[in-house]
Amino acid sequence: DAGVTQSPTHLIKTRGQQVTLRCSPKSGHDTVSWYQQALGQGPQFIFQYYEEEERQRGNFPDRFSGHQFPNYSSELNVNALLLGDSALYLCASSLGFEQYFGPGTRLTVT
Amino acid sequence: EDKVVQSPLSLVVHEGDTVTLNCSYEVTNFRSLLWYKQEKKAPTFLFMLTSSGIEKKSGRLSSILDKKELFSILNITATQTGDSAVYLCAETLTSGTYKYIFGTGTRLKVLA
Repeated sequence: DAGVTQSPTHLIKTRGQQVTLRCSPKSGHDTVSWYQQALGQGPQFIFQYYEEEERQRGNFPDRFSGHQFPNYSSELNVNALLLGDSALYLCASSLGFEQYFGPGTRLTVT
Repeated sequence: EDKVVQSPLSLVVHEGDTVTLNCSYEVTNFRSLLWYKQEKKAPTFLFMLTSSGIEKKSGRLSSILDKKELFSILNITATQTGDSAVYLCAETLTSGTYKYIFGTGTRLKVLA
């Protein structure tokens, strides 16, 4: 049984560009949450998707948007990238309460 | 917004030592306290604590929650180099809030 998978593993972008990160949840899970983890910090909640809708959002600007597909996979989109968006982006899937984390995508903005 | 504070921020010990990691949290709508180990990328689940005073144990790791004083500790006995990692604690809330609120983490390095 595959766990949570994310792609790509690493990504380098330039300021002002747009990026899309992808997440496939653990089999049987219907909920996907996204977190941003800056270097030396704990993960910060971006938003959560359930039934293809954004169910809850953290304190992130509208440049951060997402989508959930009928197969429960999800995308995180970030527009107009800033240097401060450089971080590890973690996806977590759940069925109910406990969240299982993927390996993350390391985004570097130059 | 609720805040989770971990201490110490970093710790260097020798193999065989015992370590205690601390996590304090705020109480608004508290549901549970979770501990994760993060070695390279994905945080891996260690414990979930909801009841005060009940110790959870897994091998050399154990954790306990004090809901009166609003903190939790994670103990690791007979440390090994493989225990080197960042240890994160997270608070979860009730009232329809689904996010996990993480602390900054404690970076543990175990020397051979």
